[in-house]
Amino acid sequence: GAVVSQHPSWVICKSGTSVKIECRSLDFQATTMFWYRQFPKQSLMLMATSNEGSKATYEQGVEKDKFLINHASLTLSTLTVTSAHPEDSSFYICSATARATNSPLHFGNGTRLTVT
Amino acid sequence: QKEVEQNSGPLSVPEGAIASLNCTYSDRVSQSFFWYRQYSGKSPELIMSIYSNGDKEDGRFTAQLNKASQYVSLLIRDSQPSDSATYLCAGPVGTGNQFYFGTGTSLTVIP
Repeated sequence: GAVVSQHPSWVICKSGTSVKIECRSLDFQATTMFWYRQFPKQSLMLMATSNEGSKATYEQGVEKDKFLINHASLTLSTLTVTSAHPEDSSFYICSATARATNSPLHFGNGTRLTVT
Repeated sequence: QKEVEQNSGPLSVPEGAIASLNCTYSDRVSQSFFWYRQYSGKSPELIMSIYSNGDKEDGRFTAQLNKASQYVSLLIRDSQPSDSATYLCAGPVGTGNQFYFGTGTSLTVIP
């Protein structure tokens, strides 16, 4: 089956630093990748949608200058949390879908970010 | 109306029983649907896809799609404690560059 690899699985950083999270589709070309954030016991919250070679589309309330998304190829998207603060601590999950009708979303394993 | 609405639960069933999870969807959603299972602290994993009217069975799981009623369900037979998780239904919009998720149903299977 389709595999999406996300790294790192967890990261602890100091307030004010930046963190980059990578999301790779290992065995398919991902035309679209999605980035989600999830706080404990809450639903998935879509942050942004990225299409290969174009700018990401951010959901309302998500700061595009703080959460930088790059989707440079059909198999790689990155999310950089810039100048992280403790309130950015959360579970970040990427997902990807292939170029095909009825193609499902495949999720990475997620990255648990803790900002101290 | 939300694009995908899910009975939010929580749902508790005894071990060995059938758990029934349901979603309804709006006209905006393309008529293919996916069920995901999410364990606490983990990311969602795809467990079932359904594209055609009717039932689709995979082991203890059966997905049902009724396009006329805009209704999709997931039945889990012989529920096990390991089935305890949050279940999410999802459907794409248009060509699949947008997906709508239900809010999730928390299922607890009681031993």
